[in-house]
Amino acid sequence: GENVEQHPSTLSVQEGDSAVIKCTYSDSASNYFPWYKQELGKRPQLIIDIRSNVGEKKDQRIAVTLNKTAKHFSLHITETQPEDSAVYFCAARVLKGGKLIFGQGTELSVKP
Amino acid sequence: NAGVTQTPKFQVLKTGQSMTLQCAQDMNHEYMSWYRQDPGMGLRLIHYSVGAGITDQGEVPNGYNVSRSTTEDFPLRLLSAAPSQTSVYFCASSCRTSGNNEQFFGPGTRLTVL
Repeated sequence: GENVEQHPSTLSVQEGDSAVIKCTYSDSASNYFPWYKQELGKRPQLIIDIRSNVGEKKDQRIAVTLNKTAKHFSLHITETQPEDSAVYFCAARVLKGGKLIFGQGTELSVKP
Repeated sequence: NAGVTQTPKFQVLKTGQSMTLQCAQDMNHEYMSWYRQDPGMGLRLIHYSVGAGITDQGEVPNGYNVSRSTTEDFPLRLLSAAPSQTSVYFCASSCRTSGNNEQFFGPGTRLTVL
């Protein structure tokens, strides 16, 4: 079935270090891969996304890479700051119905 | 634009009770969906709709019904609440016809079933 696996489930880094979160997806026809950030008690909000015809996209300190052959994509956050602490979700839009399937989430903690 | 709105924000039910979680969007989005969020399990898709009059099941549809009579509204019905349905529920919408596929989330409804 349609599935998105996300690792790690928790990640702790020192301020200024980089953080990497990885996801794999099962539906090879998936064509859109967003990343959401969710702060405690709030709704998920889009931080970056990538489409299947692009291998990498960068927006200031965050970047996403996509490997279609291996069916995995990753979120990279450089120069982490305490305000980056949150839960991050990856997702993949599957072909059937265009629905968005989410990974299990990664709780990122940035220690000052 | 109010974006995606949900009511109520909090709800406590007894086992066996029924209720409807309301969701509305004012962005003329075709696509709407419901997710539940449980610790360690991410956001799981309950039901989704690609337009008025069209609905389909997601990953965890059992115990929930939906309807889409208008573009704006997408209510989620719990027919007979169970403690396993204690969760935070998010409604979301996106525009499928443009190149912008961003899915916007509502503020969520925290449901407790006793």
